[in-house]
Amino acid sequence: DQQVKQNSPSLSVQEGRISILNCDYTNSMFDYFLWYKKYPAEGPTFLISISSIKDKNEDGRFTVFLNKSAKHLSLHIVPSQPGDSAVYFCAVPSGSARQLTFGSGTQLTVLP
Amino acid sequence: DAGVIQSPRHEVTEMGQEVTLRCKPISGHDYLFWYRQTMMRGLELLIYFNNNVPIDDSGMPEDRFSAKMPNASFSTLKIQPSEPRDSAVYFCASRRGDRGRTGELFFGEGSRLTVL
Repeated sequence: DQQVKQNSPSLSVQEGRISILNCDYTNSMFDYFLWYKKYPAEGPTFLISISSIKDKNEDGRFTVFLNKSAKHLSLHIVPSQPGDSAVYFCAVPSGSARQLTFGSGTQLTVLP
Repeated sequence: DAGVIQSPRHEVTEMGQEVTLRCKPISGHDYLFWYRQTMMRGLELLIYFNNNVPIDDSGMPEDRFSAKMPNASFSTLKIQPSEPRDSAVYFCASRRGDRGRTGELFFGEGSRLTVL
């Protein structure tokens, strides 16, 4: 059974600095991991993913790191912007349909 | 293209009443998922369908919850009778089967349910 943990419910960062969000998972059977972003009153939207054969994937200001031996993901945002303020969920597939199991989310607040 | 459409966006009801939430997935998507978001449990999967057939409903909390997908463009999640602890945001999401490798889901805007 897949468990996904985001141990920091909230994070505040100054604009321009780096934001680091962390995620731990239990079952490493699957070959990709994802991050979603959610603004208030909207549904989550896909942000970035990483294949298990990589340890880093970069897309603009967003970089996801994967440490398979530690079963740990992290999302780096640099430089952070006020518009990045949102809830970030990590997601790991499980089951026959690769249905996603989500972490509990981290509320990121970027202060101007 | 239209995204996943959910209705109602907000529902306030009294304990014991029946609640029906609706979802129209993205055309061509053959997987549909119902999730619930609460402060305590985050985003939890309730049930999912493949080609309109319910595959896994192990996340449905109780028999008070039921879901149907009568055709490829419509699904409902029903709670009868509703209780205050059902208050949450309910999300519908869909994806194509061949996107299983990357797992990207497309979510609706959610239905915020408040049971008094």
